Amino acid sequence: QSALTQPPSVSGSPGQSVTISCTGTSSDIGNDDRVSWYQQPPGAAPKLVIYEVNNRPSGVPDRFSGSKSGNMASLTISGLQAGDEADYYCSSYSTSSTWVFGGGTKLTVL
Amino acid sequence: QLQLQESGPGLVKPAETLSLTCTVSGGSISGSTSYWAWIRQPPGKGLEWIGNIYYTGTTYYKPSLMSRVTMSVDTSKNQFSLNLTSVTAADTAVYYCARRRYAGSWYADYWGQGTLVTVSS
Repeated sequence: QSALTQPPSVSGSPGQSVTISCTGTSSDIGNDDRVSWYQQPPGAAPKLVIYEVNNRPSGVPDRFSGSKSGNMASLTISGLQAGDEADYYCSSYSTSSTWVFGGGTKLTVL
Repeated sequence: QLQLQESGPGLVKPAETLSLTCTVSGGSISGSTSYWAWIRQPPGKGLEWIGNIYYTGTTYYKPSLMSRVTMSVDTSKNQFSLNLTSVTAADTAVYYCARRRYAGSWYADYWGQGTLVTVSS
């Protein structure tokens, strides 16, 4: 059982927007802005797409955005493309210098 | 361009010790602000943080694994390593090494390709 809770799957059509939620507690997401998101295509290593709630690494399109409210963080992908199909994981700093991850969400582009 | 590469046995017997090494190229482990991490992913499941190490040897481990985990660094070889003792089938996973950019950053901006370790007799 993962420390952060994500929906198992989400889907959307090309061009649409989808939002993936990530629910934590007051010990992690609710107490810290060090929330990040990773994209993992099948058979590949994870790739950082959002860090510190809403920052994009160089090379990640601005179609990817992040936000946070209370104990919940969200990743929104706008203008969906077929290449966005992947598993997405959230993570957060937690108390006592530990690092927690979500269980992952499978994004299907219809 | 920083690159990380995991290496080690792909098969470990139950109750034995899993040992992996991560070789870093394109940058130096020592003298940098980066922390180095091990993260694993059981087949078909999510990511799990195992621990972090700084080049000075300072470590942070996931509490539930702390009794079985040891991480070390070899700055002369630009490598860091993971030892996990008393393994069971539940330790079967793809093991990734990764970089945390600096002490206050809790995200991994560089990852290795991952190596599958199977625990089986």
